[in-house]
Amino acid sequence: QVQLQESGPGLVKPSETLSLTCTVSGGSISGSSYYWGWIRQPPGKGLEWIGSIYYSGATYHNPSLKSRVTISVDTRKNQFFLKLSSVTAADTAVYYCARGGRDGYNPRGETFDYWGQGTLVTVSS
Amino acid sequence: DIVMTQSPDSLAVSLGERATINCKSSQSVLYSSKNKNYLAWYQQKPGQPPKLLIYWASTRESGVPDRFSGSGSGTDFTLTISSLQAEDVAVYYCQQYYSTPPGYTFGQGTKLEIK
Repeated sequence: QVQLQESGPGLVKPSETLSLTCTVSGGSISGSSYYWGWIRQPPGKGLEWIGSIYYSGATYHNPSLKSRVTISVDTRKNQFFLKLSSVTAADTAVYYCARGGRDGYNPRGETFDYWGQGTLVTVSS
Repeated sequence: DIVMTQSPDSLAVSLGERATINCKSSQSVLYSSKNKNYLAWYQQKPGQPPKLLIYWASTRESGVPDRFSGSGSGTDFTLTISSLQAEDVAVYYCQQYYSTPPGYTFGQGTKLEIK
C-alpha cells in the first residue's frame, strides 16, 4: 500500500519561500508508470494542481504559478519537494502530495490515486 | 487552459434518492484515437484528502460502490449516485487530464448534503 506524507513548516512569512517535502513509502518513486504531484486547497475552496515531477526530474507546472514553483525529487530518499517563492496570504492552503498516473503506462490514466493527508500552510507575519 | 465547470454548486438529496452532478469542460477531453474521455471524479469528505472514484469518465475505481456511476463524452459529463447513503455526504470534484504536456484542472466542486 503506497503512502505519502507531507512535512514542512506550518507558518511562512509573506515574501518568503514555502518549502515542503513528500515522503513516499510502500512503493518506489522511480517507477515508470507515475508522476508525483502537488495539489493545494485554500480553506473552504477547491483544488488547484500546482505541478508534477517524473522520477527522471522532468517537471510540469500550473502556468499560473510556474514562475514561483520549483519541484524536485530525491530518488534515493524516495522523496519529492515543493518550493513556492514570494508567498502571499493567497498561498495559504492545505498542500497535498499525490501519486499521479502516466498516460499509456497506468490503467487509470493521469489521475491521482494516492494522496497524503495534507498539511496546512499559513502565510502570515 | 481547459476550464472545468460543475453544476450545481450544492445539492441536497433525500436518503435513498438519486443525486446527479454535472461537469462541463471548455473544450473536448475526448482523445478520439483512443476513444477515451480524460475525465475523473473525486470525493472529498471533511478533513480528508480527495478519493478517486471514477476515471475515463465511467470506470469505477476498485472498491467504489456500484451506486456511483459516471457518464458523458466530449465536454459534458455526469456523476450519478443512484441511491444516496449518509456516507456519501461530501464535496465532489471533476478533473480533466487531457492537457499535454501534463496540466490538470479541477471543477470548483459540488457539495452534496442530505435533505
